[in-house]
Amino acid sequence: DGGITQSPKYLFRKEGQNVTLSCEQNLNHDAMYWYRQDPGQGLRLIYYSQIVNDFQKGDIAEGYSVSREKKESFPLTVTSAQKNPTAFYLCASSIMNTGELFFGEGSRLTVL
Amino acid sequence: KQEVTQIPAALSVPEGENLVLNCSFTDSAIYNLQWFRQDPGKGLTSLLLIQSSQREQTSGRLNASLDKSSGRSTLYIAASQPGDSATYLCVVGSSNTGKLIFGQGTTLQVKP
Repeated sequence: DGGITQSPKYLFRKEGQNVTLSCEQNLNHDAMYWYRQDPGQGLRLIYYSQIVNDFQKGDIAEGYSVSREKKESFPLTVTSAQKNPTAFYLCASSIMNTGELFFGEGSRLTVL
Repeated sequence: KQEVTQIPAALSVPEGENLVLNCSFTDSAIYNLQWFRQDPGKGLTSLLLIQSSQREQTSGRLNASLDKSSGRSTLYIAASQPGDSATYLCVVGSSNTGKLIFGQGTTLQVKP
């Protein structure tokens, strides 16, 4: 079945450690996105990529990094520079001609 | 600057009731509007996508309308069921910036 796979679903990290969240899609979508969701807040855009080997900062990119070496994959690294990394992270992709957005199941990161 | 507002923030109804969720946006220059549902701890599931040239879309018991001139979209849910309990979000694609703007969501509870 076509879709977006995020892993791991749950992740615990000690302060000062970097962690990488995986996002893979088999929908052949060009555009991919990373969002952060905190309780009581809307989704906030971290990074997005519209084509392989190119990506742009979103509204809250500080403390995060991404890569887009393959069309299917858009991993997000949460670095130790991110002040408040505990959150629910959502990966999405979209069809260029209609702009329809699809989401993965999310990854919950907890910093201990 | 495009802003998206969803009112009410929370809604509780008895099973079987027909209900309407509202989404308002401040700038009519949009290329699409998409409705999602989100269950607790899960990703977003796409319900309906309305392109800017369309007035409404229907899927089963759901009907979404779009009125760009008044900056409003409504999601109509017929014969609500307890399984409809979730948070419903609308997302607007801005023609001016190309950005996706999320509403804060309406949390729906359907009581048996």
